Amino acid sequence: AQKITQTQPGMFVQEKEAVTLDCTYDTSDPSYGLFWYKQPSSGEMIFLIYQGSYDQQNATEGRYSLNFQKARKSANLVISASQLGDSAMYFCAMRELSSQGGSEKLVFGKGTKLTVNP
Amino acid sequence: AAGVIQSPRHLIKEKRETATLKCYPIPRHDTVYWYQQGPGQDPQFLISFYEKMQSDKGSIPDRFSAQQFSDYHSELNMSSLELGDSALYFCASSAQPAARTYTFGSGTRLTVV
Repeated sequence: AQKITQTQPGMFVQEKEAVTLDCTYDTSDPSYGLFWYKQPSSGEMIFLIYQGSYDQQNATEGRYSLNFQKARKSANLVISASQLGDSAMYFCAMRELSSQGGSEKLVFGKGTKLTVNP
Repeated sequence: AAGVIQSPRHLIKEKRETATLKCYPIPRHDTVYWYQQGPGQDPQFLISFYEKMQSDKGSIPDRFSAQQFSDYHSELNMSSLELGDSALYFCASSAQPAARTYTFGSGTRLTVV
């Protein structure tokens, strides 16, 4: 079963507007972490923002903020004042414990392709 | 700041050939991960190493093997390459437990022809 769900295959936004990219997750672990990565067409995976399950406040990093609703198991990424350079693929990911022991790894959603229009 | 270094950036191989990808993690990160990302797909976990010991294994074909060396660099070896192995291969590193950052390398784009 998919542990990270991104329901928006593609999103469009006008330059300078804000956009929200949706992410829901499924876990029974009380301690987990949620991540957002940006992947431009060049291919690299760029870390944007992190939210821990015990963090008291929603994470913010510059123009990026995370709307963390624990009861709903959602961790939506909000990008304010969109720029043309924000056009990219965006992946939501969750840190999960391995079934084989105490190691951890990231599992990814299918991604959302964001296009910023001038 | 030091990042995760992967080499080569691009690799073209013929079917049935062998490929070796290298990864140099961030110093003091104790865990290295390998991911495979097919065209239009999300990254899929292959294998990880914690302090040079294999710590987890995902959907890695038997034709693939990996190891982490004494200097902490890691290599992913792929044999009997198939067209379907064409993908972007990422190495990432983190400091466990409860890592707040997983840093990815720039990836190796493997094309099998």
